[in-house]
Amino acid sequence: DAGVTQSPTHLIKTRGQQVTLRCSPKSGHDTVSWYQQALGQGPQFIFQYYEEEERQRGNFPDRFSGHQFPNYSSELNVNALLLGDSALYLCASSLAGRGSNTGELFFGEGSRLTVL
Amino acid sequence: QKEVEQDPGPLSVPEGAIVSLNCTYSNSAFQYFMWYRQYSRKGPELLMYTYSSGNKEDGRFTAQVDKSSKYISLFIRDSQPSDSATYLCAMESGGSYIPTFGRGTSLIVHP
Repeated sequence: DAGVTQSPTHLIKTRGQQVTLRCSPKSGHDTVSWYQQALGQGPQFIFQYYEEEERQRGNFPDRFSGHQFPNYSSELNVNALLLGDSALYLCASSLAGRGSNTGELFFGEGSRLTVL
Repeated sequence: QKEVEQDPGPLSVPEGAIVSLNCTYSNSAFQYFMWYRQYSRKGPELLMYTYSSGNKEDGRFTAQVDKSSKYISLFIRDSQPSDSATYLCAMESGGSYIPTFGRGTSLIVHP
């Protein structure tokens, strides 16, 4: 059973460029959340997608956008990159309406973005 | 003040020690409490999940929640070098499936 897969694992961009990160959720999961984890910090919630729509959004600017496809996979796009966008970007999948398993997220290994 | 506070450490202990990791929080609406383990260069993985106050035990791991004090703990018995990782507490009010994370505590268990 494949877990959450993310690509690319590492990438380097320069300020002002745009980046697209990709995520395939765990088999059977229908909800994808994206997190940003700066060095030495905990994951910060960016947004969550369910049924191809953004369901909730954290405190991130509009430069951060996303998409969910009919097969539940997802993309995170960041425009006009800033040095401060350098971080590990984590994708987490879950199953909506799963009752007592609230908060049980399955994370991928992340995409490490460096902005120069 | 952050919603979830967690000492970043590092916490260094000898093999076999009992480890205590803690978080405090300010949002009284939190009802679901989790501990995630994150190895270097990996994504977090769920270790323990607790609803409301009380204790939960799973092998060498025990999670405690004290909602009156807004304080949660994770105890690791007979710690092993393989337990060396960053431990993230996380909590959620319920229904959103979007937990708020602490910054993580780095644990080093040396042989």
